[in-house]
Amino acid sequence: SAVISQKPSRDICQRGTSLTIQCQVDSQVTMMFWYRQQPGQSLTLIATANQGSEATYESGFVIDKFPISRPNLTFSTLTVSNMSPEDSSIYLCSAGLRAGELFFGEGSRLTVL
Amino acid sequence: AQSVTQLGSHVSVSEGALVLLRCNYSSSVPPYLFWYVQYPNQGLQLLLKYTSAATLVKGINGFEAEFKKSETSFHLTKPSAHMSDAAEYFCAVTPTGANNLFFGTGTRLTVIP
Repeated sequence: SAVISQKPSRDICQRGTSLTIQCQVDSQVTMMFWYRQQPGQSLTLIATANQGSEATYESGFVIDKFPISRPNLTFSTLTVSNMSPEDSSIYLCSAGLRAGELFFGEGSRLTVL
Repeated sequence: AQSVTQLGSHVSVSEGALVLLRCNYSSSVPPYLFWYVQYPNQGLQLLLKYTSAATLVKGINGFEAEFKKSETSFHLTKPSAHMSDAAEYFCAVTPTGANNLFFGTGTRLTVIP
């Protein structure tokens, strides 16, 4: 198993600002992912964080809005840029050790005013 | 394309009663299927997974699920509900060999004393 730590756990931000969420895994993992969970809804995959190369974004998500870094096999960041109230959500980091078996962090709850 | 449909956004059962949470999948290739549980204010935890071995899969906390290809279903069951089972349950699918998961909309389980 893997233990995933995210910070901040929650934040309240002003419209138009940006916030970077950090994700630290306690062991080296092959894949890392970022999901969004909007209030009362399911998880939506934002992107796959690729170590040493550009992230792979899902339909509806773009790098300018959600830039992602992954400098090594245990760490990744997600930035939510130029935030609006519609970006209020829980952002979850997950790490894959084998096909389809993901471990999740506790999430970062973001409120944009 | 892969997707899952969870029937019933809310399910209530009495303590000691059978738990049945429904999940149907759609996949153009043989799928891997998963159930995750999310307790309040916590991250997701893997309950069980189907990866093309035994069709009846046993997971943690007494839960099990049966993969039925003819019905494209992967329903989650537990013979006797406990108060501690109250949580949100998510069904998820990924194509064989892939790592990213696609989640259903979730089912909130309430256990009535």
